[in-house]
Amino acid sequence: DAGITQSPRHKVTETGTPVTLRCHQTENHRYMYWYRQDPGHGLRLIHYSYGVKDTDKGEVSDGYSVSRSKTEDFLLTLESATSSQTSVYFCAISVDRSSNGYTFGSGTRLTVV
Amino acid sequence: RKEVEQDPGPFNVPEGATVAFNCTYSNSASQSFFWYRQDCRKEPKLLMSVYSSGNEDGRFTAQLNRASQYISLLIRDSKLSDSATYLCAVSPNTGNQFYFGTGTSLTVIP
Repeated sequence: DAGITQSPRHKVTETGTPVTLRCHQTENHRYMYWYRQDPGHGLRLIHYSYGVKDTDKGEVSDGYSVSRSKTEDFLLTLESATSSQTSVYFCAISVDRSSNGYTFGSGTRLTVV
Repeated sequence: RKEVEQDPGPFNVPEGATVAFNCTYSNSASQSFFWYRQDCRKEPKLLMSVYSSGNEDGRFTAQLNRASQYISLLIRDSKLSDSATYLCAVSPNTGNQFYFGTGTSLTVIP
């Protein structure tokens, strides 16, 4: 399997606190993505990266920021967590934009109380 | 209108049955199509690509119908281990992201 890990696997945090989720890959893939998955909505793109320091917004980017200072790491930060951000967060990697599919990490279950 | 829509199911079928799922997409310029499988509380895993000419991988067949803007996944001789949620993914011509359906739940019954 592709080398992609997410941390933490589970987290409970309080409303208003900042939270950072980490995605680490050992595949040297150029593209990295952060999705959230919620019942009834499926997977929705938050932010993606197409190279070191190159990032762009997805369809549900409000309240989130990302950083990619190294090829292998893509960080997702919830600037001030809200209950609506309770979700399962998946990181994904791909070798190119769309010809090949994604490989997903195991996910982070985030609960904001 | 959603970019991608799937019937959520659930589909409950007996072992050995043939089952098919469809996934409709709204952007006629979409270029790339995939099916993923997701087990309960796990990450999605790539099942197969969908090519214009269709493609087959063992018991699984994926097809694209551009005229009606849908893709399909056919599973023959269903196994208990096929029980999962099946997600379709569609990329528009910009190629910057995939849009995922909400998934179709399949349970194969002994």
